[in-house]
Amino acid sequence: DAGITQSPRHKVTETGTPVTLRCHQTENHRYMYWYRQDPGHGLRLIHYSYGVKDTDKGEVSDGYSVSRSKTEDFLLTLESATSSQTSVYFCATGVRNRQDNEQFFGPGTRLTVL
Amino acid sequence: AQSVTQLDSQVPVFEEAPVELRCNYSSSVSVYLFWYVQYPNQGLQLLLKYLSGSTLVESINGFEAEFNKSQTSFHLRKPSVHISDTAEYFCAVSAIGAGSYQLTFGKGTKLSVIP
Repeated sequence: DAGITQSPRHKVTETGTPVTLRCHQTENHRYMYWYRQDPGHGLRLIHYSYGVKDTDKGEVSDGYSVSRSKTEDFLLTLESATSSQTSVYFCATGVRNRQDNEQFFGPGTRLTVL
Repeated sequence: AQSVTQLDSQVPVFEEAPVELRCNYSSSVSVYLFWYVQYPNQGLQLLLKYLSGSTLVESINGFEAEFNKSQTSFHLRKPSVHISDTAEYFCAVSAIGAGSYQLTFGKGTKLSVIP
């Protein structure tokens, strides 16, 4: 298993407050991803990173920003949380080469926005 | 762009019966295909993957999937399920090629094994 940790694991916050979720990996994988999981929608990509300070938007990026200052850390920030951002957030890492694109997932963060 | 359709959102099956979870994909380029499993309150774990070569791939716990290019399918099968197989299963596709970073997931199939 890739060593991927997420913090916090659970968070309850109020509408309009900023929230930052952290993903930390020990596998030195170049690629990192943030997904959200909602019933009936599967997993949807929010943002991803292909290297330190190199990030790009995914399918559902509105209202989210990310930063990656070190290979091992990938932060997801909700600048002003809304109830529609209540979800389970998963971080993933991967090596992404010509032979494979397997991704390894963290345990998830359950976020509730009241 | 790629897309994945998992045709069944829920599949109930009796213990020791066979099961098939269906997955169809759409892509204009060649793809890698994956099945992930999610047990309650956990993250996703890779079950098996097709990268190249033999179109039939197997997992260590008895699941298998067959890549069918003509039907653009990657159905997951197990000949005899156990209670411990109760989980949600996600099919995912990734395009092969430069700049293709992401996995595109289906909406998931919840497998419930009935004693």
